[in-house]
Amino acid sequence: DIQLTQSPSFLSASVGDRVTITCRASQGISNSLAWYQQKPGEAPNLLIYAASTLQSGVPARFSGGGSGAEFTLTISGLLPEDFATYYCQEGNIYPVTFGQGTRLEIK
Amino acid sequence: EVQLVESGGALVQPGGSLRLSCAASGFTFSDQYMDWVRQAPGKGLEWVGRIRNKHDSYTTEYAASVKDRFTISRDDSEKSLYLQMNSLKTEDTAVYYCARVWSRWNVNWGRGTLVTVSS
Repeated sequence: DIQLTQSPSFLSASVGDRVTITCRASQGISNSLAWYQQKPGEAPNLLIYAASTLQSGVPARFSGGGSGAEFTLTISGLLPEDFATYYCQEGNIYPVTFGQGTRLEIK
Repeated sequence: EVQLVESGGALVQPGGSLRLSCAASGFTFSDQYMDWVRQAPGKGLEWVGRIRNKHDSYTTEYAASVKDRFTISRDDSEKSLYLQMNSLKTEDTAVYYCARVWSRWNVNWGRGTLVTVSS
């Protein structure tokens, strides 16, 4: 099974900051990675798929990069609504796996 | 507008059974693969399983943690997805989400239904 490890697990930042979350896969997965945002009490929301493609309707301050076994999610210019938990997901190999999550909180 | 509405969550004793449903609208349900994903209280997301469409023979995939206990099925005429859960364990306590699969990604999610396994 593919293991996905996100770092950091917890991140404290301020409105306006630029932050980067990393997701490392236990083996190469090409670009088969997505990022989701989840706010408390809500379902997850797809932000980025195929490592770097922005889902329709997602603001351009979100960007994804990487391939192989290391991927990043960058949020440029944090807004108050961006404080949430973020998960990466591998989508090509069964079982489908998620990273453990990165909780982004306001400093 | 795509809508997914889960139902059927309840309090059940260990060893018991429960069937969850997910009613879909706003897209051609029969064409889509569908997933179940769960989230234990205060924890991360865990993929439960997937059912493919008729074209791909309604085949299924499961996480190891639920294989042989859970069964995913669908009724395309009713635009509904199901999760039959047997031999429930306390560690199955979670919010269960149904999610539409587009390409390989979970592009739409329901609001979830809570399953509590406790004596």
